[in-house]
Amino acid sequence: QVQLVQSGAEVKIPGASVKVSCKASGHTFTGYYIHWVRQAPGQGLEWMGRIDPTSGGTDLAQKFQGRVTMTRDTSITTAYLVLSRLRSDDTAVYYCTRWGIVGASNYFDSWGQGVPVTVSS
Amino acid sequence: SYELTQPPSVSVSPGQTARITCSGDALAEQYAYWYQQKPGQAPVLVIYKDSERPSGIPERFSGSSSGTTVTLAISGVQAEDEAEYYCQSADISGIYVFGTGTKVTVL
Repeated sequence: QVQLVQSGAEVKIPGASVKVSCKASGHTFTGYYIHWVRQAPGQGLEWMGRIDPTSGGTDLAQKFQGRVTMTRDTSITTAYLVLSRLRSDDTAVYYCTRWGIVGASNYFDSWGQGVPVTVSS
Repeated sequence: SYELTQPPSVSVSPGQTARITCSGDALAEQYAYWYQQKPGQAPVLVIYKDSERPSGIPERFSGSSSGTTVTLAISGVQAEDEAEYYCQSADISGIYVFGTGTKVTVL
């Protein structure tokens, strides 16, 4: 079955960087964009950006440009999110999710379990 | 960037119909999607492409669209439907956005 399995919780100090991974299985890795969505405590869902697993090309929400890097390793069907220059308001749960590139599943139909990231001095 | 606006909360008695609206200029040309999120869980898709229901989602969930507003309706609301609901859309340049979220409370 389709699974997106993410790395574990992180605690970082302000100004540091965090790297979160998302291991995909049960589907053709290059057939789906991987998107990153975060949710601050008690807040709504916030779309951060997506990566095309085939080309590695990315589209980022404007507020994250310059601070977010998305990469992938097709050999191990894993996508990565790096958020740099962390601030306290980056404290959130970070989800990966998939969106079909062609054909069916053109929606967020499978999600990772989420990674809590805490930024605190 | 564009925004999708939802009412913060909707309250409904069991068995009644809950309606949640989502407004945004992009919705006139782009599809809307709806997700249900319960505390401590990842979101779950309940409606896609304005009004299509994924397999496994109860028939009491339905969606509609009119101009720049889309609506999620939950008929015959059950206690298990109490959750946060988010609309979502995307523009043609590959930028996605979620609505502000609506908390549905079953009285």
